[in-house]
Amino acid sequence: QKEVEQNSGPLSVPEGAIASLNCTYSDRGSQSFFWYRQYSGKSPELIMFIYSNGDKEDGRFTAQLNKASQYVSLLIRDSQPSDSATYLCAVKVYSGGGADGLTFGKGTHLIIQP
Amino acid sequence: EAQVTQNPRYLITVTGKKLTVTCSQNMNHEYMSWYRQDPGLGLRQIYYSMNVEVTDKGDVPEGYKVSRKEKRNFPLILESPSPNQTSLYFCASSGYAGNTIYFGEGSWLTVV
Repeated sequence: QKEVEQNSGPLSVPEGAIASLNCTYSDRGSQSFFWYRQYSGKSPELIMFIYSNGDKEDGRFTAQLNKASQYVSLLIRDSQPSDSATYLCAVKVYSGGGADGLTFGKGTHLIIQP
Repeated sequence: EAQVTQNPRYLITVTGKKLTVTCSQNMNHEYMSWYRQDPGLGLRQIYYSMNVEVTDKGDVPEGYKVSRKEKRNFPLILESPSPNQTSLYFCASSGYAGNTIYFGEGSWLTVV
């Protein structure tokens, strides 16, 4: 059974600070890791994905992956009130003929305080 | 414009009345999936399909059926809906590499 764990929050961060979101996963066969942002009642939007150990940066966002520790994180620099949302961590395991879909964590509710 | 289109977006129905939620994508994607999202439980995969006529169960398939007769369409069928299937449903699609997964706008389903 694949499990993806996130702290549900809410995580409250002052505007302009760095928000740090964490995620752990149970399946060592997980090969792709995704961060999605979801506003209430809306569909998830992909922020970024990462495959390799280390950091991957995209604008104000940095994803960090440590496969040995089965840990992936998302840093948001210069947090803005518009970053207030639920952040979903997702992992994908490739098996047989192809990807079998994503396993999502339950999400962390992030609040950026003006 | 790349799109995943779900219909209906909002539906209230009664227990036992069969319904179908349609999903269509215009990106020629091989992979399509259905998820349900419930408070405190997050997004859970119901069924997925790797190509035409190839489908498999996800984590919560009970009470649902799917079919993939055409590459662009992946309908979700509730043969006999029950109140515990009240949820927000998302259809998603991705290409073979699966890096970018596109979600539909969601379908709010209430079973009374």
